[in-house]
Amino acid sequence: SQTIHQWPATLVQPVGSPLSLECTVEGTSNPNLYWYRQAAGRGLQLLFYSVGIGQISSEVPQNLSASRPQDRQFILSSKKLLLSDSGFYLCAWSRLAGGSITDTQYFGPGTRLTVL
Amino acid sequence: KQEVTQIPAALSVPEGENLVLNCSFTDSAIYNLQWFRQDPGKGLTSLLLIQSSQREQTSGRLNASLDKSSGRSTLYIAASQPGDSATYLCVVTGGGNKLTFGTGTQLKVEL
Repeated sequence: SQTIHQWPATLVQPVGSPLSLECTVEGTSNPNLYWYRQAAGRGLQLLFYSVGIGQISSEVPQNLSASRPQDRQFILSSKKLLLSDSGFYLCAWSRLAGGSITDTQYFGPGTRLTVL
Repeated sequence: KQEVTQIPAALSVPEGENLVLNCSFTDSAIYNLQWFRQDPGKGLTSLLLIQSSQREQTSGRLNASLDKSSGRSTLYIAASQPGDSATYLCVVTGGGNKLTFGTGTQLKVEL
């Protein structure tokens, strides 16, 4: 069976500090991978998606970046956090790679980030 | 630009009642529509996925319908239980792999 992991579960960081959130998927190969953010009182927002190693598409301009160093690893990073980066970050995967979403997305447990 | 709206924003019902959650979207050119539930402080759980060529999907007490031409989907929950209390999200997938999330419906099922 497939599982998706995210860590850390919670994180409190000062403004201006760097960030690295990790997401890994087990039990499948060549998945589509996604990073979402849910800010307080707002809906989910797609930040990045990846259809393969080294292939990252950004949906919104921001001070965040994403990388996919391995097939089943997706990393969300920032060099300097802003207060507005606080939120609940979710990683997800779907079965089909190659640029087309036609299958269910499965979400990880999320990381709650508080920037002070 | 795709916009997804869910009505009502919040709903409170007594246990055992059947209920309907509504989702509307402005651009009918979608690949699929998905319903999720989100429990407080947790990730999303996928409930049902309807492909653009399908009209409905069923899973247990849940039934989701899709009318792509009118830009509407409904999630029907039969015999509601307190464990159904959560926020329900409607998500549409459009061209370029773009996902647009709805505004959500916060459901509370009371004993």
